[in-house]
Amino acid sequence: QKEVEQNSGPLSVPEGAIASLNCTYSDRGSQSFFWYRQYSGKSPELIMSIYSNGDKEDGRFTAQLNKASQYVSLLIRDSQPSDSATYLCAVRTGSARQLTFGSGTQLTVLP
Amino acid sequence: GAVVSQHPSWVICKSGTSVKIECRSLDFQATTMFWYRQFPKQSLMLMATSNEGSKATYEQGVEKDKFLINHASLTLSTLTVTSAHPEDSSFYICSAPISGGAPDTQYFGPGTRLTVL
Repeated sequence: QKEVEQNSGPLSVPEGAIASLNCTYSDRGSQSFFWYRQYSGKSPELIMSIYSNGDKEDGRFTAQLNKASQYVSLLIRDSQPSDSATYLCAVRTGSARQLTFGSGTQLTVLP
Repeated sequence: GAVVSQHPSWVICKSGTSVKIECRSLDFQATTMFWYRQFPKQSLMLMATSNEGSKATYEQGVEKDKFLINHASLTLSTLTVTSAHPEDSSFYICSAPISGGAPDTQYFGPGTRLTVL
């Protein structure tokens, strides 16, 4: 079983719509959760971090965490073509400083 | 915010040669740096943890004699791919947390694309 799982997509949404990205993780000891955006040929850039159950909003982005279900999601409101990228879910577990990444979901926002 | 640089940004080499990739933290000290590898259409896979002044810690399945890591200072870690083969062609990315800072605050370098002919 993979430690961090994501739907690989591709996911296509029209411009202005809400894009919903999902991630599950296997280790209940996981403490920190991150969403990164990666454009083709570039390194990941951090969008959101979330540490406690519930929602966390930052502009058009909302991260949701449910530790009981071992589930974390990212909602992108008013999606823009510039949001088209691969979105990576990452998890930090225990005292480790390194991150474990999911396989990523490719998002395309259609103009 | 903090900046991590990598050099070179891309490199093409012949099979059997060695390639060195540098990762520098430009405005902060990093006692630990992480090296990731990413194959096309795949996610980042941690290769090793580079520790300043001590040996690197390699992930299972990563050959330490092939991927040499040296963390000689608080701002520089190098990854040397020895006797490179075409299957080593990949995107190599380093990241660094700020020493003394929250362990979750990691900064990624821009990556180095290696192509082995």
